[in-house]
Amino acid sequence: GIQVEQSPPDLILQEGANSTLRCNFSDSVNNLQWFHQNPWGQLINLFYIPSGTKQNGRLSATTVATERYSLLYISSSQTTDSGVYFCAVGSNFGNEKLTFGTGTRLTIIP
Amino acid sequence: KAGVTQTPRYLIKTRGQQVTLSCSPISGHRSVSWYQQTPGQGLQFLFEYFSETQRNKGNFPGRFSGRQFSNSRSEMNVSTLELGDSALYLCASSLLGLTYGDTQYFGPGTRLTVL
Repeated sequence: GIQVEQSPPDLILQEGANSTLRCNFSDSVNNLQWFHQNPWGQLINLFYIPSGTKQNGRLSATTVATERYSLLYISSSQTTDSGVYFCAVGSNFGNEKLTFGTGTRLTIIP
Repeated sequence: KAGVTQTPRYLIKTRGQQVTLSCSPISGHRSVSWYQQTPGQGLQFLFEYFSETQRNKGNFPGRFSGRQFSNSRSEMNVSTLELGDSALYLCASSLLGLTYGDTQYFGPGTRLTVL
């Protein structure tokens, strides 16, 4: 099946800093989503972005499908951005499912 | 529009028992997927139901089963519980489902502890 790797595994930043999270995947996908899991376990969908670039406030994401990677940018970090960020991918080659990366744990220090 | 709801939120069971978890999708969504999250294995796909039919399945033993009702609500059942089944169980709903690469909306999860 598809392999998904996220980097870095952990990131500690001062409030106000910018960050870039990366997601590499091993095969063609028709579905790529970024999620933020808050300290209570709730997964919140940030972007549905199998290709191209999207922006939502301080967050933006870019997926280069031909090179099999996606980037999530967080600008002017706030303490509420803390949590784990997951990239999840899906393909339409037979048994469809979402495969999650191991996540990036982001900690924003006031 | 109300989000995805899951009940119960917390559950404690003993080995050998069985458990049923419930998921109510966003109104109008016909796809419900289930996931297991553990510290060791991360987030893993269990199965997806669409219009009362299981459409996709992950690599879990037959002790894990599910169903979907005509109102799109879904239940997941785990029989003969093992200690390793302790996890956060998440469900997600979407309009068209995984086959069409649709956006997934997750519920708050059910935390199952097996003693």
